[in-house]
Amino acid sequence: QSALTQPPSASESPGQSVTISCTGTSSDIGAYNYVSWYQKHPGKAPKLMIYEVNKRPSGVPDRFSGSKSGNTASLTVSGLQAEDEADYYCSSYAGTNIYVFGTGTKVTV
Amino acid sequence: QVQLQESGPGLVKPSETLSLTCSVSDYSITSRYNWAWIRQPPGKGLEWIGTIYHSGGTHYTPSLKSRVTISVDTSSNQFSLKLSSVTAADTALYYCARDDRYNYNMDVWGKGTTVTVSS
Repeated sequence: QSALTQPPSASESPGQSVTISCTGTSSDIGAYNYVSWYQKHPGKAPKLMIYEVNKRPSGVPDRFSGSKSGNTASLTVSGLQAEDEADYYCSSYAGTNIYVFGTGTKVTV
Repeated sequence: QVQLQESGPGLVKPSETLSLTCSVSDYSITSRYNWAWIRQPPGKGLEWIGTIYHSGGTHYTPSLKSRVTISVDTSSNQFSLKLSSVTAADTALYYCARDDRYNYNMDVWGKGTTVTVSS
């Protein structure tokens, strides 16, 4: 099972929007609506931001949204704030009880 | 609020067994959720290692399956990772997490612990 492909970095000004892509295959992202996104700040635990493609856990701002088309999922952060500067990782269920994660994207605000 | 904390040796010699423990606070490890280990080699992305289910069953990533064992200690409210015959390629930041198989995500994570494989 290969890692999902994300761009290494993305950058946008405060208040603007940034979209991160996550490309997989017809065996993972394309097959299941179980795409999750995680935010990772240095020295802190990863935080679940989006699950099941576009659902937000309680407490996650609605500035964070997710979508999927074919084998590619996307995370959009609108109204960027300084605190959104972090690494973001996607993940997908890949069948047979296996998860696959993305390569990670560093977002700079 | 549930919290997870990884612990274990930060340095392991090649060919030896890496052993880590995840302590779970404010939540019973015997309740409905499952428990997972994930790692991040330096400069690389996350890699799911495996999950132990509420039922006691396990699933591991195919590339590590022959070397990995995940187990639960209900008396200590902890779960553990053992990775045998380690090499430098196993050097990584290791995370434990709660695996929600109803929604297929890791909803709570520990901060991670760094393990270096070196003689």
